[in-house]
Amino acid sequence: EAGVAQSPRYKIIEKRQSVAFWCNPISGHATLYWYQQILGQGPKLLIQFQNNGVVDDSQLPKDRFSAERLKGVDSTLKIQPAKLEDSAVYLCASRLTQGSEQFFGPGTRLTVL
Amino acid sequence: GEDVEQSLFLSVREGDSSVINCTYTDSSSTYLYWYKQEPGAGLQLLTYIFSNMDMKQDQRLTVLLNKKDKHLSLRIADTQTGDSAIYFCAESRRDSSASKIIFGSGTRLSIRP
Repeated sequence: EAGVAQSPRYKIIEKRQSVAFWCNPISGHATLYWYQQILGQGPKLLIQFQNNGVVDDSQLPKDRFSAERLKGVDSTLKIQPAKLEDSAVYLCASRLTQGSEQFFGPGTRLTVL
Repeated sequence: GEDVEQSLFLSVREGDSSVINCTYTDSSSTYLYWYKQEPGAGLQLLTYIFSNMDMKQDQRLTVLLNKKDKHLSLRIADTQTGDSAIYFCAESRRDSSASKIIFGSGTRLSIRP
């Protein structure tokens, strides 16, 4: 079974630029998560989708971050404009149902200069 | 991860047992998890324990849960070089909208020859 796919794996941008990350969850997984993992910290939930609807985006800095999952499958996370403190690994995860295991992708490492 | 606390580093000799400790704050957490993260990789679920259990054993892994003290530990028997990684303790938390996983900051396990 294919795992959660993310691209790109690495991205370097300058502050005030825009960036987008892509996630393809495991086939059939209704729930999709985006996490931000700053160096030396644990992952922090940014947004949770159930199919194509947002369930929880309370931790998403909505002035600069946006995410969508238009057809309930793939998802994109965008940062516009980026700040230095956005440097982190952005992890995507999916799960089949509530209570089942979350599977994580390899992450996208973002460096903002 | 501000509500789930772990020590940052642990160094053990190859063949010895490793014990990683964690404290959490939400007494209503239904599941508690241990995840492993190797360099450049996403998080991998190692094991989990349901909150009505005291102990769970899975091959070299033993999880102990003290619900009264909100203390969780992971013991790895016969630690090998392949066990070098960051280990994250996490708790499930449910609010009115959804369940989410709250991660600690991770314990980096290093193995001495």
